[in-house]
Amino acid sequence: ETGVTQTPRHLVMGMTNKKSLKCEQHLGHNAMYWYKQSAKKPLELMFVYSLEERVENNSVPSRFSPECPNSSHLFLHLHTLQPEDSALYLCASSLRTGSNQPQHFGDGTRLSIL
Amino acid sequence: GESVGLHLPTLSVQEGDNSIINCAYSNSASDYFIWYKQESGKGPQFIIDIRSNMDKRQGQRVTVLLNKTVKHLSLQIAATQPGDSAVYFCAVPEVNAGGTSYGKLTFGQGTILTVHP
Repeated sequence: ETGVTQTPRHLVMGMTNKKSLKCEQHLGHNAMYWYKQSAKKPLELMFVYSLEERVENNSVPSRFSPECPNSSHLFLHLHTLQPEDSALYLCASSLRTGSNQPQHFGDGTRLSIL
Repeated sequence: GESVGLHLPTLSVQEGDNSIINCAYSNSASDYFIWYKQESGKGPQFIIDIRSNMDKRQGQRVTVLLNKTVKHLSLQIAATQPGDSAVYFCAVPEVNAGGTSYGKLTFGQGTILTVHP
């Protein structure tokens, strides 16, 4: 149990669907992150939130829309995705965004785009 | 930006042996380093970290060594067990010219550790 819970664990959707990924952390952290993990590629940072404010958007296409209503919850809204968006989407949290802070990850949502 | 490399993509050991996983980084200003373990079907799990003011840090059966001169760190696992089989990543926070970080971790490709009983 990492203290970071992601739902759903698996998601299959068509390219025209709209779905949302949810992340909840029970660690009292103030920073939350979305990462994409594709086969044979390093983890790619997508978004960073600090105290519910987005502090980094790492050149992510607009078909991915994050939302952070409070410091414990993070969403990733998906719309009109492409087959190449199939990947494992990981949420992480840390006490704050500064250096010297380990990030703690959830177990991810395995997303498949048909 | 930071680039992080791993010397070996796979490592196969016998149960009970010691394992050493290596990682190189490029930014001499990096001051914090993290090792993660990722088992199949799970997210990366924090193992151990080290700050640049240290050369060595020990945890339970794991030791991280940092050589800032050659920008290299290693993870040593003592008495490797089948449950240690996983992908191991080193991660380094990106630090801007002002020395601050907004939390972007650069991960290496990962080393696949396989432990044979």
